[in-house]
Amino acid sequence: KAGVTQTPRYLIKTRGQQVTLSCSPISGHRSVSWYQQTPGQGLQFLFEYFSETQRNKGNFPGRFSGRQFSNSRSEMNVSTLELGDSALYLCASSLVGGAGGQETQYFGPGTRLLVL
Amino acid sequence: AQSVSQHNHHVILSEAASLELGCNYSYGGTVNLFWYVQYPGQHLQLLLKYFSGDPLVKGIKGFEAEFIKSKFSFNLRKPSVQWSDTAEYFCAVNARTDKLIFGTGTRLQVFP
Repeated sequence: KAGVTQTPRYLIKTRGQQVTLSCSPISGHRSVSWYQQTPGQGLQFLFEYFSETQRNKGNFPGRFSGRQFSNSRSEMNVSTLELGDSALYLCASSLVGGAGGQETQYFGPGTRLLVL
Repeated sequence: AQSVSQHNHHVILSEAASLELGCNYSYGGTVNLFWYVQYPGQHLQLLLKYFSGDPLVKGIKGFEAEFIKSKFSFNLRKPSVQWSDTAEYFCAVNARTDKLIFGTGTRLQVFP
């Protein structure tokens, strides 16, 4: 079974631009979560989607948004990029999520975003 | 709010040495606990997890962790490390949601 895939793997943008990252979960998985990984802040939860609905949200500004499609694929969008948005963005999937957190999340390789 | 502390930021060991990485969390209710590992250039992978039951859990590659509820701790152990264990290790907690709260990670370097 293929793992979680993320595209693109690397991205360079300039301040003020916007970016869209894509995540395809493991086949059959319906819950997709997004995390931001930076050297200073570590791994921080952005949001979680299930059945095309955002079910959980972390403490990030409204510039960070996401969506999920009927095939469970998810996209994350960051508008008006800032230098501090440079990070590794990780996507994780699990079967249905919401099971009291008692499901393993499987992570993709991440998209490394550099904002200049 | 939940938080996770990993006090060892960087650990250097020789092969065959024993390993213990500390993880403490702050949350008064029931939690699910995880240890993930990130090998150089690779994805985050699950090492082990605790949901309920026996507080001593065994994971892959000879790792184990013990949940001590009274100490809010979930320390990771391995009796004898190998060079291939060089990686970054993350403790994570969730309080019955899908929002994983991660510690800042511990970088382990094992020298032959």
